[in-house]
Amino acid sequence: AQRVTQPEKLLSVFKGAPVELKCNYSYSGSPELFWYVQYSRQRLQLLLRHISRESIKGFTADLNKGETSFHLKKPFAQEEDSAMYYCALSGRGSTLGRLYFGRGTQLTVWP
Amino acid sequence: NAGVMQNPRHLVRRRGQEARLRCSPVKGHSHVYWYRQLPEEGLKFMVYLQKENIIDESGMPKERFSAEFPKEGPSILRIQQVVRGDSAAYFCASSPMTEANYGYTFGSGTRLTVV
Repeated sequence: AQRVTQPEKLLSVFKGAPVELKCNYSYSGSPELFWYVQYSRQRLQLLLRHISRESIKGFTADLNKGETSFHLKKPFAQEEDSAMYYCALSGRGSTLGRLYFGRGTQLTVWP
Repeated sequence: NAGVMQNPRHLVRRRGQEARLRCSPVKGHSHVYWYRQLPEEGLKFMVYLQKENIIDESGMPKERFSAEFPKEGPSILRIQQVVRGDSAAYFCASSPMTEANYGYTFGSGTRLTVV
């Protein structure tokens, strides 16, 4: 069964510190992984996806198939990074088009 | 391009009433998805629709819930005879293609409160 686990409900760091938001998944196949972000009072928006291997707002995420992880990292956190972050997985076959979300991690960056 | 528009933003219903949630996708997007978020939980898939077709409704509760995406007009998520457990945030998303790889565009959600 498909599952996305974000073990940290809350994460706090100081400005300038490195940050890592953890995401583990289970899926019997080759999934597509995403990170979505929701800033305060804004709608959920796509931050990055593993297939594009891009860096957005200084964030990167590497898919580790051996550890079934897709952790989100940023070397120097900024106050404006404070938001809710959701890891998501897209399946194939009968579940094509559907996203499976983790429960989210609330990141707070202190000044 | 106004993005995905959901209304109302907040909806209060008494137990037993009906709730109708509307979603207008991004112009040109023909794929619509509904997700529900219960307190302290992640978004859970409910249903995936294309114009006039339900593609996947495996996440929908078997009773009281229905969804449609007519040829003209918004997609509607309908909950009949609401109960307290239906209180949640309901999010709609749209995409131009089947592949979620391109990323959805999400609406701001409708927060349903059943009293």
